[in-house]
Amino acid sequence: SQTIHQWPATLVQPVGSPLSLECTVEGTSNPNLYWYRQAAGRGLQLLFYSVGIGQISSEVPQNLSASRPQDRQFILSSKKLLLSDSGFYLCAWSDPPGQNYEQYFGPGTRLTVT
Amino acid sequence: GQSLEQPSEVTAVEGAIVQINCTYQTSGFYGLSWYQQHDGGAPTFLSYNALDGLEETGRFSSFLSRSDSYGYLLLQELQMKDSASYFCAVMGYQKVTFGTGTKLQVIP
Repeated sequence: SQTIHQWPATLVQPVGSPLSLECTVEGTSNPNLYWYRQAAGRGLQLLFYSVGIGQISSEVPQNLSASRPQDRQFILSSKKLLLSDSGFYLCAWSDPPGQNYEQYFGPGTRLTVT
Repeated sequence: GQSLEQPSEVTAVEGAIVQINCTYQTSGFYGLSWYQQHDGGAPTFLSYNALDGLEETGRFSSFLSRSDSYGYLLLQELQMKDSASYFCAVMGYQKVTFGTGTKLQVIP
């Protein structure tokens, strides 16, 4: 069966510090991978998605970046965090188009920038 | 681009039926999905409609009208555990665009 891991679960970082959130998927190959951010009480904002190794599409201009160094690994980074980067970060995977339509979410990382 | 609209909050009584509507504007549409998210948790998939009509899965049903760019989620025999946020989402070719969510409160 497929599983998706995210860590850490919670993180408190000062403004201006770097960020690295990691997401890994097991039990599937060549998944589409996604990073979302959710502000408190709000919807899910798509930040990045990837359809293959090294292929990253950015949806929203920001001081975040994403990388996919391996087929089932997706990393979200920032060189200098802003207060506005606080939120609930969710990684998700799906099968390539035409195979399935469901997105499977990881447990999320709750980031507080102070 | 894509945009979705759904009510921000809905309150319903335990045992009753509630309908959560979703209208969308999209430049590329493959289907409409619904997700449930409990406070502090991750979203979980509920249903998917690619074609017009009603899809039923237990107490939950979802409807789509592509000509009206409209869909809804119907929850029957409401239970307290159904209190959560519900998101409609438009499935594009490679990505999904989520609505802002409807917070459902089920009261005794």
